[in-house]
Amino acid sequence: DTEVTQTPKHLVMGMTNKKSLKCEQHMGHRAMYWYKQKAKKPPELMFVYSYEKLSINESVPSRFSPECPNSSLLNLHLHALQPEDSALYLCASSQAGNEQFFGPGTRLTVL
Amino acid sequence: AQSVAQPEDQVNVAEGNPLTVKCTYSVSGNPYLFWYVQYPNRGLQFLLKYITGDNLVKGSYGFEAEFNKSQTSFHLKKPSALVSDSALYFCAVSQRDQTGANNLFFGTGTRLTVIP
Repeated sequence: DTEVTQTPKHLVMGMTNKKSLKCEQHMGHRAMYWYKQKAKKPPELMFVYSYEKLSINESVPSRFSPECPNSSLLNLHLHALQPEDSALYLCASSQAGNEQFFGPGTRLTVL
Repeated sequence: AQSVAQPEDQVNVAEGNPLTVKCTYSVSGNPYLFWYVQYPNRGLQFLLKYITGDNLVKGSYGFEAEFNKSQTSFHLKKPSALVSDSALYFCAVSQRDQTGANNLFFGTGTRLTVIP
């Protein structure tokens, strides 16, 4: 299995809602990543988990809360988001030193 | 600090002609360099990487890239472009942190349009 899956594909939420994005991989990769991508821009790194521990938080607002329940799963919990948080959220995984494999993304719209 | 530059926002090429998408990099130490492609509303697909070894790297879908240390460049090439190659291409450089995770820094992207 050489795939990173993400659910849901699309999400529309209000500014007072709480929702979660999910990411899963079964390639045995021990590093997992969350990126945010605005239209026609490169992905911006948000969080990095390595061996299920948060290793990098790129100064992301606390309304985004990552969680890594086990080596195959990565969640991103969303609460009290702003309209400017609307974007494509990408998950990726890698084995140390190698290329990252990306999921198809979740298209998030905040109303 | 690591960074990459893609000097062209847009590249147009006729189908069947060779294509080049340019990338230059700035790194401290030995570079790990990558090319990814993104189709509309999709995630990024890995094309190829340079870690060490031969300067000419071959990747997926007939793409290749040439690592040039003296010019700090890593241009993506294909001998004969297809209409289906039309997409957004990102060059990236990685920096490995102390945990072994490979953190990517992306260029601004180049939109390739192959004209039938």
